[in-house]
Amino acid sequence: GENVEQHPSTLSVQEGDSAVIKCTYSDSASNYFPWYKQELGKRPQLIIDIRSNVGEKKDQRIAVTLNKTAKHFSLHITETQPEDSAVYFCAASNAGGTSYGKLTFGQGTILTVHP
Amino acid sequence: GAGVSQSPRYKVAKRGQDVALRCDPISGHVSLFWYQQALGQGPEFLTYFQNEAQLDKSGLPSDRFFAERPEGSVSTLKIQRTQQEDSAVYLCASSFGFVQGETQYFGPGTRLLVL
Repeated sequence: GENVEQHPSTLSVQEGDSAVIKCTYSDSASNYFPWYKQELGKRPQLIIDIRSNVGEKKDQRIAVTLNKTAKHFSLHITETQPEDSAVYFCAASNAGGTSYGKLTFGQGTILTVHP
Repeated sequence: GAGVSQSPRYKVAKRGQDVALRCDPISGHVSLFWYQQALGQGPEFLTYFQNEAQLDKSGLPSDRFFAERPEGSVSTLKIQRTQQEDSAVYLCASSFGFVQGETQYFGPGTRLLVL
């Protein structure tokens, strides 16, 4: 089955700096890669996603890049703000066949943005 | 509109008790997933429903875990004879259909503590 590795496990930055979180996946059939933000005690919320036919996607201060050959994808947050502090999870899925789009998550990155 | 809701939000059970966790997906969503999130970890897939059909239960950790969605909307995850290792947050997610890369919307989770 799919295995997703996420690094770093913790990331501390100053307000205004950039933050980068990296994930690798094992199943070359995976074709959908969402990123979720989870605040303490809250539900995971989708912040951005990318599909395998695209190499990069950007939404304001957030961007995701995908390298299918190397089987890794990354989350980039620019101009970080204290409210960006949360746990971030990457995930991978293969929506075709008998996988039904179930998500395999990374272990999470605790991002702390210091004012 | 209303998002995914789950009840109860917190559940304390004595070892050996049975528990039932409820998920109300977004109205009209065909796909429903259950995930288990241990403390400090990413969610892990348990089971998947497409309407009322349970198409994938490969993630259920033992035969003590049972899930149903009899009318294709509300779903219940039941855990029989709870054990301490069952302590976790149980997350439900729904998506509109089942095509490639459907966004999964998560509920707030049920935090289960087995004493």
